[in-house]
Amino acid sequence: QKEVEQDPGPLSVPEGAIVSLNCTYSNSAFQYFMWYRQYSRKGPELLMYTYSSGNKEDGRFTAQVDKSSKYISLFIRDSQPSDSATYLCAMSASGATNKLIFGTGTLLAVQP
Amino acid sequence: DGGITQSPKYLFRKEGQNVTLSCEQNLNHDAMYWYRQDPGQGLRLIYYSQIVNDFQKGDIAEGYSVSREKKESFPLTVTSAQKNPTAFYLCASTHTGGQPQHFGDGTRLSIL
Repeated sequence: QKEVEQDPGPLSVPEGAIVSLNCTYSNSAFQYFMWYRQYSRKGPELLMYTYSSGNKEDGRFTAQVDKSSKYISLFIRDSQPSDSATYLCAMSASGATNKLIFGTGTLLAVQP
Repeated sequence: DGGITQSPKYLFRKEGQNVTLSCEQNLNHDAMYWYRQDPGQGLRLIYYSQIVNDFQKGDIAEGYSVSREKKESFPLTVTSAQKNPTAFYLCASTHTGGQPQHFGDGTRLSIL
């Protein structure tokens, strides 16, 4: 069993839809949770960074962490064609080495 | 403009050849990382370094080598011992102590 599970998609939605992306994990020691967006042939770009449980909002993006269920989510409101990319979740147990464990990524396509 | 620069963007390796991928950052980050990205497998950690002149193996270090002679630079050598080197290689950096990693735009390595 992988430490981090993420549905690879592809996920196709119409422009303006609310998108929900999710990851589950098995290591209860994870404390730091990140979402990255990766466009084709580019490096991952940090979208959201959360420590421990709770919600964090930044513009059209909301990240949720539920440590009791070992489940994290990224919501995108009013999705745009420019949001079409692969979304990677990542998490780490300790701040000391910052070793990240990544999900495999979900490919999102927002149709105009 | 601060960031992480990876070069070259595309690289081709002949059989039996060692190749070196460059990673330079001007963010004054202490820690630097090398990942390999394959389709459907997410990012896997090759090597990381938290301080100059020190580095540790990640999960898939076999067939790779690194050096960290300067804070700004963390080159990765893909040796002839790496039998399946075709992948997208990503370099990342961060301050130590729980900060998220930031990525360069990658080098795509292929076999001739």
